[in-house]
Amino acid sequence: EVQLAESGGGLVQPGGSLKLSCAASGFTVSSNYMSWVRQAPGKGLEWVSVIYTGGGTYYADSVKGRFTIARDNSRNTLYLQMNSLRPEDTAVYYCARGTSTTYWLLGLWGQGTLVTVSS
Amino acid sequence: DIVMTQSPDSLAVSLGERATINCKSSQSVLYSSNNKNSLAWYQQKPGQPPKLLIYWASTRESGVPDRFSGSGSGTDFTLTISSLRAEDVAVYYCHQYYGPLPGTFGQGTKVEIK
Repeated sequence: EVQLAESGGGLVQPGGSLKLSCAASGFTVSSNYMSWVRQAPGKGLEWVSVIYTGGGTYYADSVKGRFTIARDNSRNTLYLQMNSLRPEDTAVYYCARGTSTTYWLLGLWGQGTLVTVSS
Repeated sequence: DIVMTQSPDSLAVSLGERATINCKSSQSVLYSSNNKNSLAWYQQKPGQPPKLLIYWASTRESGVPDRFSGSGSGTDFTLTISSLRAEDVAVYYCHQYYGPLPGTFGQGTKVEIK
């Protein structure tokens, strides 16, 4: 079955770090554009980061310099390393896969993992 | 960046009635190379991740019921649910993927049953 499963969320203090994982099954992560999209409680969707098939990356201005997206091809897993966390980073973080024809359309999503930044 | 503005923020529609959601972009999202509008719609039901419904403004994703339709061009777009069902209660987001990529989402429109 084709699916994504996030893990690694939790409660962290401001200034702390957290690493999210997204395990993929049924397809190859490195052959697809893979994204992290977050949703603050009761709010809309915000694109956080993308890793392209060639390894290039994109970051939203709000996380640039603090978050790092990466993938492990041997584990078929996507990651998001989050450093210097702020209360405004509190959100459900979803990993998502671009479609095969239009990379910026998110056709497959995980269930999300909640990150709470609070003292 | 292109700003996407949806209206209304919420609407309540009776079962079986039509629901209409609007999305306006701050500049045209018509992609000249294929003459298609780079506009998608997502549905997010409570407690679930978003689901891709429509792309290129009017193309339904595989498996999406035909009561969902998208229309519009340039800067003005509409998502229509022709006959609302209980399972359509959700927040709907438009998304422009014209640029700069990966694009921007609208703020969302909540659809409820009247």
